[in-house]
Amino acid sequence: DVVMTQSPLSLPVTLGQSASISCRSSQGLVYSNGDIFLNWYQQRPGQSPRRLIYKVSNRDSGVPDRFSGSGSGTDFTLTINRVEAEDVGVYFCMQGTHWPFNFGQGTKLEI
Amino acid sequence: QVQLQESGPGLVEPSETLSLTCTVSGASITSSYWTWLRQPPGKGLEQIGYIYYNGITNYSPSLWSRVTISVDLSKNHFSLRLTSVTAADTAVYYCSTDPRTLEAWGQGTPVTVSS
Repeated sequence: DVVMTQSPLSLPVTLGQSASISCRSSQGLVYSNGDIFLNWYQQRPGQSPRRLIYKVSNRDSGVPDRFSGSGSGTDFTLTINRVEAEDVGVYFCMQGTHWPFNFGQGTKLEI
Repeated sequence: QVQLQESGPGLVEPSETLSLTCTVSGASITSSYWTWLRQPPGKGLEQIGYIYYNGITNYSPSLWSRVTISVDLSKNHFSLRLTSVTAADTAVYYCSTDPRTLEAWGQGTPVTVSS
């Protein structure tokens, strides 16, 4: 199985500052059609996960442009600029290239 | 916009079978793959398996011997059965869309395994 490793697991930030979360996969995530199925999700307290970014860097509709995804190979990053109070929660990366598709451990963002 | 809603018992006795249904609205069940996931208390997310409308399924290697996912085209819903449950199966269970991208999620339903 592909192992997804996130860091840090806990991320204290100051309002208005930037935050970055790293996600590393144990093998490359390029699918046979060339797509890279690396997605990012936000889970606010008491809520179900919400997709923020799909296929490395594509922002979902309604997601603030403060959120951006980047990366290639086995290293990927979620960046949050100008952190706001509503960004508190746990962030997960997930690979959808090699079955079983799996998630990183989660990064808890705290203000 | 597709919406999903899980339903089923919140309490299951050990060794019994967990059964949940996910009702899809805003889209035809024939339009996509459909996924079940779970999240144990305080832990991360795990994909249980997924199904296509024609009945093709794929299950997590760690659960395949106990899992069945089925689809009902007439009701526009899909279902999860997990047999021989133990306390380790206590979790919030979610249904979602295509397993590679998980674009939309249900609100989740908590299931406790206890006598």
